[in-house]
Amino acid sequence: QQQVKQSPQSLIVQKGGISIINCAYENTAFDYFPWYQQFPGKGPALLIAIRPDVSEKKEGRFTISFNKSAKQFSLHIMDSQPGDSATYFCAASYSTGMRFGAGTRLTVKP
Amino acid sequence: DSGVTQTPKHLITATGQRVTLRCSPRSGDLSVYWYQQSLDQGLQFLIQYYNGEERAKGNILERFSAQQFPDLHSELNLSSLELGDSALYFCASSQGQGPSGNTIYFGEGSWLTVV
Repeated sequence: QQQVKQSPQSLIVQKGGISIINCAYENTAFDYFPWYQQFPGKGPALLIAIRPDVSEKKEGRFTISFNKSAKQFSLHIMDSQPGDSATYFCAASYSTGMRFGAGTRLTVKP
Repeated sequence: DSGVTQTPKHLITATGQRVTLRCSPRSGDLSVYWYQQSLDQGLQFLIQYYNGEERAKGNILERFSAQQFPDLHSELNLSSLELGDSALYFCASSQGQGPSGNTIYFGEGSWLTVV
């Protein structure tokens, strides 16, 4: 049972464009929603995170939009760069667990 | 560098065998998590320990076991290995008791290939 559904599976964006990755969850016990970035051969690294009492959080070119009523959240990467090419995982956590989406492989073409 | 150290980085073993993966958490982190990453299953949570005690259990098979020692390092034991156990196994750590609100830092993983 996949508790966090992530789409798209892969995404190709031109340099300077906006990358958008979407996630949806079902368990209302989740209270923390991080995004992780993973480069080949490396472990996932925390990129940005949000709590459900906030509808948007921005850090540099990265923005999380959160819709609590729809149980959906998304990652927006503005001015996407080739160095952003990686796999992105959304996650949802509660006191005793964190569940990941299936991942989105982002390719930013120069 | 996340500060989480995993050994070995690569391991090839035969079906039916047993292996042990080792993890040293970041200095000061009391929680250790184990995740399995495979192409078709994504990142699957296996188990979490906090300060030596099991805190949460995920999709961990009965053939797998883990423990956290007094010095806070952790080991994941995989036995009666099957081809399908081939995957990247990540250890992660955090300061708090659970992942909620705590940054979880991942190691670089241990690649296990079962032949």
